[in-house]
Amino acid sequence: QVQLAESGGGLVKPGGSLRLSCAASGLRFSAYFMSWIRQAPGKGLELVSYIGNTGSSIYYADSVKGRFTISRDNAKNSLYLQMNSLRADDTAVYFCTTVSDSSINYWGQGILVTVSS
Amino acid sequence: DVVMTQSPLSLPVTLGQPASISCRSSQSLVHSNGNTYLSWFQQRPGQSPRRLIYKVSNRDSGVPDRFSGSGSGTDFTLKISRVEAEDVGVYYCMQGTHWPALTFGGGTKVEIK
Repeated sequence: QVQLAESGGGLVKPGGSLRLSCAASGLRFSAYFMSWIRQAPGKGLELVSYIGNTGSSIYYADSVKGRFTISRDNAKNSLYLQMNSLRADDTAVYFCTTVSDSSINYWGQGILVTVSS
Repeated sequence: DVVMTQSPLSLPVTLGQPASISCRSSQSLVHSNGNTYLSWFQQRPGQSPRRLIYKVSNRDSGVPDRFSGSGSGTDFTLKISRVEAEDVGVYYCMQGTHWPALTFGGGTKVEIK
């Protein structure tokens, strides 16, 4: 079955950086658009970024544009999110997901990112 | 971006009784290709979201048939015909018509009375 496993989260100071990774298995990774969706504590869901199956199509939410960079390595079945200039309002659980037919069909278990001094 | 508005915010339900959640979009969700990309997700306490419904009314594999989706244009509904204890959680609608900005509703918390 499809598995998406996030890693790389943790506690970081404001202004710091983190790199999230997502290892995918059980699917033809190179065929899927992929996205990062986040959920602040006790809040709803927000699309952070997505990337097309070849990496040529990329979108960022306004809230992270210029600070976050999404990338993928199809040879390694992996998705990444480089997060720079982190702020307190970036604190959230970050989910790695697949995007298919304009919907989200698979979700990882999520990884917590805490930005605090 | 398209704004998705869900109601109610909280929905206390008696076991075995029906439940209904509304989702309204600020723009029509009918795509130029004729499809309507409205999905519903369930997030049980402490778990990741799970998709229940896609393209308004199509149930995902393994989703019980007590869940159904309906609607068109800007008004959509998720119905649970008879609520069970395992249905407790937060439900979100999401539009995928107005690419690239996929947007979610604020969520509806279903709890047992």
